[in-house]
Amino acid sequence: KAGVTQTPRYLIKTRGQQVTLSCSPISGHRSVSWYQQTPGQGLQFLFEYFSETQRNKGNFPGRFSGRQFSNSRSEMNVSTLELGDSALYLCASSLDNSYEQYFGPGTRLTVT
Amino acid sequence: AQTVTQSQPEMSVQEAETVTLSCTYDTSENNYYLFWYKQPPSRQMILVIRQEAYKQQNATENRFSVNFQKAAKSFSLKISDSQLGDTAMYFCAFMNWGSSNTGKLIFGQGTTLQVKP
Repeated sequence: KAGVTQTPRYLIKTRGQQVTLSCSPISGHRSVSWYQQTPGQGLQFLFEYFSETQRNKGNFPGRFSGRQFSNSRSEMNVSTLELGDSALYLCASSLDNSYEQYFGPGTRLTVT
Repeated sequence: AQTVTQSQPEMSVQEAETVTLSCTYDTSENNYYLFWYKQPPSRQMILVIRQEAYKQQNATENRFSVNFQKAAKSFSLKISDSQLGDTAMYFCAFMNWGSSNTGKLIFGQGTTLQVKP
């Protein structure tokens, strides 16, 4: 099976812009979780989607949002970008009611 | 608050030797899962080993094994016969069981392991 894929791999945006990142889970996986990784804060949970519904949410401002489509692909959106949003954004997929998460290669977002 | 602590920011080991990475965690829940993930320079996060809290037997995956001490809330990773390809950052993580915790891994700050030839 193909692994989790994320697009784009690298992105450079300007403060104030918005960005959309995409994640395609492993075939058959219906749960997708998103994480932000920064040198200062480490790995932090953003949100989790299952069957097109957000089931869990981390402690991030409303500028961070996501959605999931019927084919389980997920997108996350960050509006009004700030310099502090520069990070590696990782998504992970898992089977229904499974606790094992498999990660994608990440999207490196740089905000200038 | 649920937290994971990795007290060793950096470690090094000679090729073929054994190294142990430490992890402690704090949770008031009784049912949870523990993991070690590896993140090499490529940044691809790879699941190394997992442990269910209700299982007393320590998990083992080839050269990787854990020492799970539930009462002490300790979950260390032992890497035997270290190889150059083990060079990476290692993250300890846990996930509480239950609908309100679904899909949420809580990570430690990571330990950078360098395997020297």
